[in-house]
Amino acid sequence: DAGITQSPRHKVTETGTPVTLRCHQTENHRYMYWYRQDPGHGLRLIHYSYGVKDTDKGEVSDGYSVSRSKTEDFLLTLESATSSQTSVYFCAISEEVSENTEAFFGQGTRLTVV
Amino acid sequence: GNSVTQMEGPVTLSEEAFLTINCTYTATGYPSLFWYVQYPGEGLQLLLKATKADDKGSNKGFEATYRKETTSFHLEKGSVQVSDSAVYFCALTVNTGNQFYFGTGTSLTVIP
Repeated sequence: DAGITQSPRHKVTETGTPVTLRCHQTENHRYMYWYRQDPGHGLRLIHYSYGVKDTDKGEVSDGYSVSRSKTEDFLLTLESATSSQTSVYFCAISEEVSENTEAFFGQGTRLTVV
Repeated sequence: GNSVTQMEGPVTLSEEAFLTINCTYTATGYPSLFWYVQYPGEGLQLLLKATKADDKGSNKGFEATYRKETTSFHLEKGSVQVSDSAVYFCALTVNTGNQFYFGTGTSLTVIP
């Protein structure tokens, strides 16, 4: 199994509070991704990173920010959580994006905003 | 743009039935195609892939053929088992891109 650890695995938070989710990898892969998974929508890309301090937005980036100060860590921050951000969040990594690689996924973080 | 469309679920089959999950795609570059599987409570894991037209990916009895003429990558299995119950995602990458594109997922339940 690829070395990807997401923390926390479960979190309940109140509307309006900041929340940070962490993804840690031990594979030294260049690319890291944050997805959210919701019924009827599948996986939607929030943000991704293609190197230290290099990040870009995905299709559902509003309300989220990310940071990558080290190769192994990719943080997702909800500045002010809303109920619409209740979801399961997955981190993924890949060595590169090509025919020869695959994305490896973490176990997911279930976030509930009340 | 780049996108993946897969058949709506949920799908319920009896054990030993034949499975087909349809997947079609659009891509701006030359795509590589993937099927991922998600078992309950877990993250996604790669099931199979194909990197060029007419390639067939296979794993654990599942197969999918890269059809460029129909822009499709349908997943098939001849005889499903209860342990195949999961959510299946079709996905692609393009040679000019830097991300993976996923379909919405198809939930499969196999009953004894």
